[in-house]
Amino acid sequence: AQTVTQSQPEMSVQEAETVTLSCTYDTSESDYYLFWYKQPPSRQMILVIRQEAYKQQNATENRFSVNFQKAAKSFSLKISDSQLGDAAMYFCACLSSNTGKLIFGQGTTLQVKP
Amino acid sequence: ETGVTQSPTHLIKTRGQQVTLRCSSQSGHNTVSWYQQALGQGPQFIFQYYREEENGRGNFPPRFSGLQFPNYSSELNVNALELDDSALYLCASSSIGAGGLETQYFGPGTRLLVL
Repeated sequence: AQTVTQSQPEMSVQEAETVTLSCTYDTSESDYYLFWYKQPPSRQMILVIRQEAYKQQNATENRFSVNFQKAAKSFSLKISDSQLGDAAMYFCACLSSNTGKLIFGQGTTLQVKP
Repeated sequence: ETGVTQSPTHLIKTRGQQVTLRCSSQSGHNTVSWYQQALGQGPQFIFQYYREEENGRGNFPPRFSGLQFPNYSSELNVNALELDDSALYLCASSSIGAGGLETQYFGPGTRLLVL
C-alpha cells in the first residue's frame, strides 16, 4: 500500500522569503509519479508541480521547485519569493501508474505574511 | 481553470436519501477519478472510470457507485446517505495513453451536506 506523510500541519513565511514544505512517501512500486497540489480557500485543487520517479533531475516550475530524494522517499517543495497568493493548503500526492490511484498526504496550510 | 466542471456546487440532503453528482472532463481526457475530501483532510480515492468501466476502487462501500458516458463525462451516485458522507466531492480528469496515466486535473468540487 502507498502512504504519503506531511509532518507540518501549518507553516508561515514572510512575503518574498523562501519556504520549504516536507513530504515523505512509501510505495512498493517502481513506476510512480509525485505531485504537489495547491488548494486555496476557494477549494479548487490546482497542480503546482509534477515529478516522474524515474527522472533524477528535480522538477522546477517558475518559483516552485522540488527536492526529490528517491532513496529516502522524500519529496519536498520549495517556494521562492513567496507571494500573498501562495497562501493555501498544499498537498503532496503519489500516483501509482498501475492503479491510477492518487494518494494524498494530510496537507500543510501555508500562511504568507505581508 | 482546468476545464473540468462539476455540478451542483452545493447540495443539502437528509440521511437515507440518494444523491447524484456530475462531472465533465477536460477536452481530450478519457479517464475520470472521484475523491472524497472531509473537512481539513486530504482527498480519499473513491474510484476511477476509463472507457465507461470502473478501473479501480478505494475503500468505499457499494452504495457509492458511478458511471462514465461515451463523451467521458461521469456521475457519482451515493445511496442511503449517512451523516459521515458530508464532504467535498472532487472529480479529476486525466488521460490514459501509451505512456500510462497522466496528471489528474481537478474540478471545483461539490460540497455535500447530509442532515
